[in-house]
Amino acid sequence: DAGVIQSPRHEVTEMGQEVTLRCKPISGHNSLFWYRQTMMRGLELLIYFNNNVPIDDSGMPEDRFSAKMPNASFSTLKIQPSEPRDSAVYFCASRGRAGALYGYTFGSGTRLTVV
Amino acid sequence: GQQLNQSPQSMFIQEGEDVSMNCTSSSIFNTWLWYKQDPGEGPVLLIALYKAGELTSNGRLTAQFGITRKDSFLNISASIPSDVGIYFCAGQNYGGSQGNLIFGKGTKLSVKP
Repeated sequence: DAGVIQSPRHEVTEMGQEVTLRCKPISGHNSLFWYRQTMMRGLELLIYFNNNVPIDDSGMPEDRFSAKMPNASFSTLKIQPSEPRDSAVYFCASRGRAGALYGYTFGSGTRLTVV
Repeated sequence: GQQLNQSPQSMFIQEGEDVSMNCTSSSIFNTWLWYKQDPGEGPVLLIALYKAGELTSNGRLTAQFGITRKDSFLNISASIPSDVGIYFCAGQNYGGSQGNLIFGKGTKLSVKP
């Protein structure tokens, strides 16, 4: 089991550019979560999917953020246009069909720096 | 919405000392989880608690699910340098549908050799 795989690990981009973060959940997991971590706010849930369908995107900061899950093995989080305040570590996590009992498995994160 | 208060925010301890941290909530949870985040990595599940009053150990780690279902604590005995990191508590409610985790803001642990 390769775990949750995120790419890239680090991203440095200029303000105004489009940024796409990628996530491959654990095979067989049916829920996927995108989190943002900052020193000030800790872990913030941005959006989550069940069976590839977005269920709750109330944590998405604004329209500049969008997320998709075209199939069970891939999800993207896009920021367009990016701003310096988007600088943070973005985590993807997945959860299996056993659901509530085993918590989430997190990826190693993407550290985004917008200059 | 539900919020978790995790304390302390940070701890600086000497190697070999015991550590205690806790989480409280204004509402009840059915499950309490404790995660550890190593620098530069994502959080990793340490211990999961499913019943009020449950006490569970994982090596030098011990966690308890409070009787009121509104709190949990994590103890680390005889700390070592590799215990350094951020520890998160998380609470979860679930019923017929899968509930989502609510995370505390973390306790940052530093261990002096």
